[in-house]
Order: sequence, then structure tokens, then C-alpha cells
Amino acid sequence: AQKVTQAQTEISVVEKEDVTLDCVYETRDTTYYLFWYKQPPSGELVFLIRRNSFDEQNEISGRYSWNFQKSTSSFNFTITASQVVDSAVYFCALSEDAYNTDKLIFGTGTRLQVFP
Amino acid sequence: DVKVTQSSRYLVKRTGEKVFLECVQDMDHENMFWYRQDPGLGLRLIYFSYDVKMKEKGDIPEGYSVSREKKERFSLILESASTNQTSMYLCASSLYQGRTLGGDEQFFGPGTRLTVL
Repeated sequence: AQKVTQAQTEISVVEKEDVTLDCVYETRDTTYYLFWYKQPPSGELVFLIRRNSFDEQNEISGRYSWNFQKSTSSFNFTITASQVVDSAVYFCALSEDAYNTDKLIFGTGTRLQVFP
Repeated sequence: DVKVTQSSRYLVKRTGEKVFLECVQDMDHENMFWYRQDPGLGLRLIYFSYDVKMKEKGDIPEGYSVSREKKERFSLILESASTNQTSMYLCASSLYQGRTLGGDEQFFGPGTRLTVL
């Protein structure tokens, strides 16, 4: 069965700390996509990154970085030098190729609070 | 930029009322989705549509129906609202470029917070 687990319900850090959000997934497919979305207090989910199952290269975008490891079925997200504006709920999601419809299976989300 | 709009940010309805939630996207996307978001449960798929007049049930379709008469518009209908349908409802769309290129990201609307009294 397809499943996405975000074991951390809530994380609190002080500004400038580094923080890692964990994501573990389960799938039987060999072709799949992994995503991270950010949901700020305004409510609208914002796309952050997509990774396909054949590309295990880590990605860095400014203060954000993602570590994809197929061996542990994990796709973790690290924010370096966190800022108050990073406070949001972050969702990891999985899309399988089987249905060809871009359906997403979401984790339950991790609420990140960054204090000044 | 893709824009997904939802008809209301906040809605209050009475038990038993028929409720329509409207979603419009302006980028000619093939796929459209309706989710509900509840604390501790993340986003759960209610219905999705991959073409005009085509729909498929998601994980929690009970108590809901949908309509897609035009490509840009996807409506969620609560036939007889109940208190357990109080939730945040999120609409999304994605382009879908075919099997060889699948896995397009979904673009989300701002959400409708529905309260059923």
C-alpha cells in the first residue's frame, strides 16, 4: 500500500537554527514522484520540490536542501539558518505512475514554528 | 502563473443543506482535485477529474459528489451537509503531460473553511 509518514507532528526552533523535517514513504512502484509543499498561515499550499524515483541526487535551493535515499525510502527536507518566515506546515507527498493522473498521497504534515 | 480560485474562503451552513463549493483554474489543466484537510490527518482526496465530465472517487467520497461540465471548473457538492463535514476544503489542478512525463505538481487554491452547524 502507498503511504507517506511524517512522524514529527510539530517542531519548534529558534531563528538561525538548522532543522530537518523527516519523510518516509512506502510504494510498490519503481516509478514514482516525491514532493514537498509548504502551507503558510494563509492556507494555500505552495509547491517546493518534485523528485522522480530515478534521480537520487540531493538538491539545494538557497537555504533549503533535500536528501532522497531510496535505500531507506526517505525524502528529508532541511532548512538551514531558519527564519521566522519559514513557520508553516510542511507536507511530503507521493505520486505513483500507475494511474497516470498525478494523484498525490500526503503525509499528515509537520508544523514548524520558528521563534525570533 | 497558474491561478486556482475557490468561490469562498469561509462558509457557514446548516445541517441538511445542499452545499456547492466551486473551483476555477485558468491554465487549461487536465486534472482537478478536491481534498479535505483535518488536523492530524493531512490532506485526503475526495474526488478527482481527469477530463470534462470524467471523475473518479478518491479515498473519502462518501457524502460528496462532483461536477465538471467545463474544463476550468470543478464543483464539489455536499448533498446534505452534516457536522462531520466541517473542514477545510482545498481544490487543486495539474497539467498532466502523459504517461512518459507524469508527476506534475499540483497547484492549490486558497481553501474554503466550511462550518456545518
